Amino acid sequence: RKEVEQDPGPFNVPEGATVAFNCTYSNSASQSFFWYRQDCRKEPKLLMSVYSSGNEDGRFTAQLNRASQYISLLIRDSKLSDSATYLCVPLRIYFGSGTKLNVKP
Amino acid sequence: DAGVIQSPRHEVTEMGQEVTLRCKPISGHDYLFWYRQTMMRGLELLIYFNNNVPIDDSGMPEDRFSAKMPNASFSTLKIQPSEPRDSAVYFCASTIQGVTSPLHFGNGTRLTVT
Repeated sequence: RKEVEQDPGPFNVPEGATVAFNCTYSNSASQSFFWYRQDCRKEPKLLMSVYSSGNEDGRFTAQLNRASQYISLLIRDSKLSDSATYLCVPLRIYFGSGTKLNVKP
Repeated sequence: DAGVIQSPRHEVTEMGQEVTLRCKPISGHDYLFWYRQTMMRGLELLIYFNNNVPIDDSGMPEDRFSAKMPNASFSTLKIQPSEPRDSAVYFCASTIQGVTSPLHFGNGTRLTVT
């Protein structure tokens, strides 16, 4: 059983759409949660940390559900520049395989 | 500030040759990680070091792979002998102590073994 599960997508959405990704994890002892963004042929870069109470950064909202062991990422008002692969990291150093997002004009 | 620096950016080699990948972590970071990324398997953790000491190498695929960290500012990942299935992007990352500290990645080395 995988430590981290993500829907690989791709999610194809029009500009301006709201899109949400979920990620489930198996280690209930996890204390650190992150979302990373990876552009094609580039390194992963931190998008945002995920706090227990949920947190927002502009158009991005991250939430944590410890009881159900999943984290989520919500992107509002999608931009073309949001097209990338989004990696969830519920175990600080163990990454999900990523969800690919394509935002189309 | 300089980020994590990896070299080379690209490496093309023939099966059976030795390959050495290099990484310089961010100054002051005491954790260093080596990852391998492929389409099939995603981003896999190979090994990580804390204060230059290997902590967990359970992700190293087999004895052909070895990693060293002789000092706080340098690490190598060596594959000997290389095989075509080793073709992947290899990332190095570093971070500091603390569960809330994220990883910072280098640009990666794209390895092709023919």
